[in-house]
Amino acid sequence: GENVEQHPSTLSVQEGDSAVIKCTYSDSASNYFPWYKQELGKGPQLIIDIRSNVGEKKDQRIAVTLNKTAKHFSLHITETQPEDSAVYFCAASEHSGNTGKLIFGQGTTLQVKP
Amino acid sequence: GAGVSQSPSNKVTEKGKDVELRCDPISGHTALYWYRQSLGQGLEFLIYFQGNSAPDKSGLPSDRFSAERTGGSVSTLTIQRTQQEDSAVYLCASTSGGGTQYFGPGTRLTVL
Repeated sequence: GENVEQHPSTLSVQEGDSAVIKCTYSDSASNYFPWYKQELGKGPQLIIDIRSNVGEKKDQRIAVTLNKTAKHFSLHITETQPEDSAVYFCAASEHSGNTGKLIFGQGTTLQVKP
Repeated sequence: GAGVSQSPSNKVTEKGKDVELRCDPISGHTALYWYRQSLGQGLEFLIYFQGNSAPDKSGLPSDRFSAERTGGSVSTLTIQRTQQEDSAVYLCASTSGGGTQYFGPGTRLTVL
């Protein structure tokens, strides 16, 4: 089955700097890759997603890139703010489309220092 | 509109007791998922319901775990004879066909 590895496990940046989180996946059949942000005591919230027919997607300060050949995808946050501090999870869908179960990475704790 | 709700938000139980966790998905969402999040870990898939189809139970860790979804809406996850290793946050998510998975706030289960 699918396996998702996520790095780094913790990331500390100064406010205004960029943050990059990387994930690799094992199943070449996976074709949907969402990123979730989880704040303390809350459920994960989708922040951006990408499908395998697209190489890059951007939404304001957040972007995701996908390299299907290498089976890795990355989250880029620019101009980080203290409110970006949270745990971020990448995931891959094991089934065609995104109606299937998500396989999650282990999470990255991002700390943005003011 | 209302999001996914889960109850209780916290549950403390003694080893060996049974527990029931409830999930109310977003109205109209046909698919419902249960995940488990152990301390400092990612989310682990447990079970998936899609409409009237047979559920995908491939993630349930043992036969002490079961879930049902009544009337295509509310779902209950039951853990029998709880063990300390069952302590975790149990998250529910729902989605319409081909849509984003929206998560509830979770139930934090502590087994003493």
